[in-house]
Amino acid sequence: EPEVTQTPSHQVTQMGQEVILRCVPISNHLYFYWYRQILGQKVEFLVSFYNNEISEKSEIFDDQFSVERPDGSNFTLKIRSTKLEDSAMYFCASGRVEDEQYFGPGTRLTVT
Amino acid sequence: AQSVTQPDIHITVSEGASLELRCNYSYGATPYLFWYVQSPGQGLQLLLKYFSGDTLVQGIKGFEAEFKRSQSSFNLRKPSVHWSDAAEYFCAVALNYGGSQGNLIFGKGTKLSVKP
Repeated sequence: EPEVTQTPSHQVTQMGQEVILRCVPISNHLYFYWYRQILGQKVEFLVSFYNNEISEKSEIFDDQFSVERPDGSNFTLKIRSTKLEDSAMYFCASGRVEDEQYFGPGTRLTVT
Repeated sequence: AQSVTQPDIHITVSEGASLELRCNYSYGATPYLFWYVQSPGQGLQLLLKYFSGDTLVQGIKGFEAEFKRSQSSFNLRKPSVHWSDAAEYFCAVALNYGGSQGNLIFGKGTKLSVKP
């Protein structure tokens, strides 16, 4: 059964560094999402992406964040200058239609 | 503001016993409602969803959920729990379906432990 994959599973970075989190959505899916979960808190929506552009973003998704679908298969989340409070589990999701979101296993980002 | 509340942080049930996980939402209209399950090291797997129609919805793995508008609730149930059901369960709502939107608002989750 096809699934969403994410790499790396764990990323450790220093404050101020740029990180890129990678996701490979399910191949025939059209809708892509990033969520994050800070330890002990709720899963929070960051951004949705459709038709090669951002369709919606939350207030968390500020100028430090960007998303890209560089080659038709990968979907990346970039954080330009990481802060300690960016430490979280980041989940990618994709869907063929809007009413189903298939989630990846997540990337744990630790900012030191 | 819209919110989802899962009042139980951790529930332990015996294998074979029935299960009910609670979820309440705060929203002016009827949202789209979901239950997800997350096993350790895994992503979030969709168990079931409610958009409209019959208020009792069936999902995968023998789960069902009932939407009660009067109580703003969408509780998840299973008549007989298996040890493999031990996981964390998340209730979620989507407020902006239509077009290309669909961001989910999640509850904090309920961790289910199953005693042999």
